Amino acid sequence: GIQVEQSPPDLILQEGANSTLRCNFSDSVNNLQWFHQNPWGQLINLFYIPSGTKQNGRLSATTVATERYSLLYISSSQTTDSGVYFCAGDPGQGAQKLVFGQGTRLTINP
Amino acid sequence: SAVISQKPSRDICQRGTSLTIQCQVDSQVTMMFWYRQQPGQSLTLIATANQGSEATYESGFVIDKFPISRPNLTFSTLTVSNMSPEDSSIYLCSVGAQGYEQYFGPGTRLTVT
Repeated sequence: GIQVEQSPPDLILQEGANSTLRCNFSDSVNNLQWFHQNPWGQLINLFYIPSGTKQNGRLSATTVATERYSLLYISSSQTTDSGVYFCAGDPGQGAQKLVFGQGTRLTINP
Repeated sequence: SAVISQKPSRDICQRGTSLTIQCQVDSQVTMMFWYRQQPGQSLTLIATANQGSEATYESGFVIDKFPISRPNLTFSTLTVSNMSPEDSSIYLCSVGAQGYEQYFGPGTRLTVT
């Protein structure tokens, strides 16, 4: 099956710093999404980004589908950005199911 | 986006017992899914809940252990049967929304003692 690799696995930053999280896919995927899992376990939708670039406030994402990777940028980090960030993609064939990466655990210190 | 609720939000169960988790959506959706997140791990798809037919299970998951019902387009249940401590996980339902973006419920945190 498809493999999803996220890097880095862990990232510790000071408040105000910028970061880039990466997601690589072993094969083409549809419906690529980025999620933030907060400390209570809730998965928050960040971006639905099969291709191209999107921005939402301090967050932006870019997917280069032809090269099978996606990037999530977080600028001017805040402590509330802490948590685990997951990317996930649908391998296709009409199943519409998501295969998740192992996540990047982000810790923002005050 | 759909509003998804799950019951219970958390539970502590004895080994050998079963727990049924409910997932309710505020609008009709075509596809509903059940995922498991073991402690410190990523999410893994258990099955796709199909309305009016048997669920489609992923490799490593079987109906006898995780029976699923989908009686209509807004509701589904997942039962974790004959539980062992290894079943301690967060169980999340998700729905396929317009344009194929998926949204997740708040999860059910299960501890098996």
